[in-house]
Amino acid sequence: DAGVTQTPRHEVAEKGQTIILKCEPVSGHNDLFWYRQTKIQGLELLSYFRSKSLMEDGGAFKDRFKAEMLNSSFSTLKIQPTEPKDSAVYLCASSTGGARQDTQYFGPGTRLLVL
Amino acid sequence: QQQVRQSPQSLTVWEGETAILNCSYENSAFDYFPWYQQFPGEGPALLISILSVSDKKEDGRFTIFFNKREKKLSLHIADSQPGDSATYFCAASGTGGYKVVFGSGTRLLVSP
Repeated sequence: DAGVTQTPRHEVAEKGQTIILKCEPVSGHNDLFWYRQTKIQGLELLSYFRSKSLMEDGGAFKDRFKAEMLNSSFSTLKIQPTEPKDSAVYLCASSTGGARQDTQYFGPGTRLLVL
Repeated sequence: QQQVRQSPQSLTVWEGETAILNCSYENSAFDYFPWYQQFPGEGPALLISILSVSDKKEDGRFTIFFNKREKKLSLHIADSQPGDSATYFCAASGTGGYKVVFGSGTRLLVSP
């Protein structure tokens, strides 16, 4: 089985640009998560989908971050407009869903640098 | 209440030694504690996990010790190998939802 796929692996953006990160979860998984990872803050949950429905939209990240799940096998995270403080690794994870003991399977991440 | 704390931030051990990574939490409702291992350039991957009904879980060289009363747990890596060099995240979840709370990680370096 293919794992979680994320593209691009690296992205460089100018301040104010719009960028779209993509994620393909493990086939058959019902839950999908977007995280931001930085050295200072660690792993922060941005969005959570269950069976394509948005269950959590990230609180403090709501204004410029928008995650969508267009179908069960594809999700995007749009950051608009980007700011230098958005420089981080963005991780997508999926799980079978429904139980808190589900293992989350992470993709390799997209490393974003905003100049 | 939702925080999971890890210490130390970074740890260096010699090959063959036992590395001890610590984790504590505040929310009494947490009852499931997975540890994830992350290598540079990769996403985290589940290494080992424990439920709060147990006080110990072993998987090869990796052992979790859990103290429910003190809300503390630790990951022991016996006979550490250079290939164990990675960042280790303690996480927690509990009744009432899907959310997994991650600690800030311990970066382990095993020197040959």
